[in-house]
Amino acid sequence: EIVLTQSPGTLSLSPGERATLSCRASQSVSSSYLAWYQQKPGQAPRLLIYGASSRATGIPDTFSGSGSGTDFTLTISRLEPEDFAVYYCHQYGSSPRTFGQGTKVEIK
Amino acid sequence: EVQLVQSGAEVKKPGESLKISCTASGYSFTSYWIGWVRQMPGKGLEWMGIIHPGDSETRYSPSFQGQVTISVDKSISTAYLQWSSLKASDTAMYYCARLSRAAAVNPFDDWGQGTLVTVSS
Repeated sequence: EIVLTQSPGTLSLSPGERATLSCRASQSVSSSYLAWYQQKPGQAPRLLIYGASSRATGIPDTFSGSGSGTDFTLTISRLEPEDFAVYYCHQYGSSPRTFGQGTKVEIK
Repeated sequence: EVQLVQSGAEVKKPGESLKISCTASGYSFTSYWIGWVRQMPGKGLEWMGIIHPGDSETRYSPSFQGQVTISVDKSISTAYLQWSSLKASDTAMYYCARLSRAAAVNPFDDWGQGTLVTVSS
């Protein structure tokens, strides 16, 4: 099973700042089958990024993903008030599929 | 528009059985894998398994294999998650979700609203 470790656990930033979230895999993620999700309290997760760097439908270009192999990054270039949430990485290339434990982006 | 509508919240006692549902609309139900994700209170997301409604091929996470059963009823475009004997540790929010494309190697894209299952004596 591929274990995904996200860091930091919590990121305290102000609106307008840049957020950089990390996801490290215990073994290589095949074909960059790595996705990122955003989850707000009381809501279902929302797909942001798939294939490590492709934005899902309707996702603004302030969100970008990068990386390959075992190291992946989600960058939010300028935090808007609605971006404060929990973010999860997810690998879907190997069985079983797995999620990281999440990074909470909170208002400083 | 793709919609996944889940059944309502449940309160059960340990040892009881339960089957929750997820009814799909807005796309060809038999063409896309659909699956389940657990979120325990205050915790992260856990991938439970997926099923292909076309042929009922099912893939489980080892953590959930033998603990739950995933099934579908093609005639009513509905997926199910069931337990034969609930434990208190099954208390969680359960989400159904559809893969973004027809192949199994894709992320979940569309999600249901979640079903809260509470197991308490």
